Amino acid sequence: DVKVTQSSRYLVKRTGEKVFLECVQDMDHENMFWYRQDPGLGLRLIYFSYDVKMKEKGDIPEGYSVSREKKERFSLILESASTNQTSMYLCASSERDEKLFFGSGTQLSVL
Amino acid sequence: EDQVTQSPEALRLQEGESSSLNCSYTVSGLRGLFWYRQDPGKGPEFLFTLYSAGEEKEKERLKATLTKKESFLHITAPKPEDSATYLCAASNSGYALNFGKGTSLLVTP
Repeated sequence: DVKVTQSSRYLVKRTGEKVFLECVQDMDHENMFWYRQDPGLGLRLIYFSYDVKMKEKGDIPEGYSVSREKKERFSLILESASTNQTSMYLCASSERDEKLFFGSGTQLSVL
Repeated sequence: EDQVTQSPEALRLQEGESSSLNCSYTVSGLRGLFWYRQDPGKGPEFLFTLYSAGEEKEKERLKATLTKKESFLHITAPKPEDSATYLCAASNSGYALNFGKGTSLLVTP
């Protein structure tokens, strides 16, 4: 079975801190994604990557950046965390045109 | 603008009471329509992919169907363990999915 592993289940950070969310997949998938999920807003795409060192903005990229130095690893970076970035962050991977496999999520609280 | 809309937002059923969840989409060049199940505090778990109008897929008490404008997730004789949020998503680019906001289903004994 495909496994998508997110490094932290819960994180608490202070406003202004630089935050790194790490995601690793073990199925050699080309595509990786970062979504955030908020009550009443559903899942919204932040960034995705279709190849190593390649990245594309999603619907809500402001305040975020990403890094994909190796095929299996996709990192989401909050350069200066703000309270409106408190959310559940979900990483996913897939082959093109195929279903997404999600990690368990990271619940980030920014105080 | 591509859009995926799910209804109802929440649904409460008695155990054994069959019903359907709706997903309507306006996506140009649909490549696939996906259904996911999400339990509280967990990531979404894949259920089905539908590619063309008229297609149907089944898994246990769940059956997904697709028309040119909407998809239905039929739940037959649900059990309490079917309680979850069901998410619908559409793909038109081969990369990311555009998700609806989900239907929260509660099945009571």
